[in-house]
Amino acid sequence: GQQLNQSPQSMFIQEGEDVSMNCTSSSIFNTWLWYKQDPGEGPVLLIALYKAGELTSNGRLTAQFGITRKDSFLNISASIPSDVGIYFCAGQLDGAGTASKLTFGTGTRLQVTL
Amino acid sequence: NAGVTQTPKFQVLKTGQSMTLQCAQDMNHEYMSWYRQDPGMGLRLIHYSVGAGITDQGEVPNGYNVSRSTTEDFPLRLLSAAPSQTSVYFCASSYNTAPNTEAFFGQGTRLTVV
Repeated sequence: GQQLNQSPQSMFIQEGEDVSMNCTSSSIFNTWLWYKQDPGEGPVLLIALYKAGELTSNGRLTAQFGITRKDSFLNISASIPSDVGIYFCAGQLDGAGTASKLTFGTGTRLQVTL
Repeated sequence: NAGVTQTPKFQVLKTGQSMTLQCAQDMNHEYMSWYRQDPGMGLRLIHYSVGAGITDQGEVPNGYNVSRSTTEDFPLRLLSAAPSQTSVYFCASSYNTAPNTEAFFGQGTRLTVV
């Protein structure tokens, strides 16, 4: 199946720092999604991107849908302790934003130190 | 608001035993799907359903069966559990209406097969 390469695998940052992570694919997607997973919980959607080149913000989060449709990045500005968790990118080829047939990246584990 | 409810949260099985993981949603979502999450890997799609009476295979369907007799429920059956099926299982649901269809995930079922 398709593979999504997500980097970095993990990062330790200090509170207040900005964070950047990205996801690349060997094939195109029509939708890119970014999820956050807290320990013992299911993933929660942070940002959804539906058009190539789209740049979308949600509070301190900003994500972009790459123009080639094969990549996406997520930035977190001014990180706070509750940003700790695992961040997943997910690509979706059929339709727009449905739960079916999501292909997930391997995740970026974020830890924030005071 | 219940959202997506998975039961049980934890389960230990012996090799060869069968069991059913339950998933129910109360949001009248058409799409439902099952994923498994293994260490160092993203979520991988097992089976999905686009509506009552319709199911299809995902990326890793072997060893699992599903059915969708109602819109609300989407159980996942392990017919003969194997240690390779030790994983965390997530159920997700969403509307079928483009363009903004957020996928809601349950809290997961942690399954250990010994």
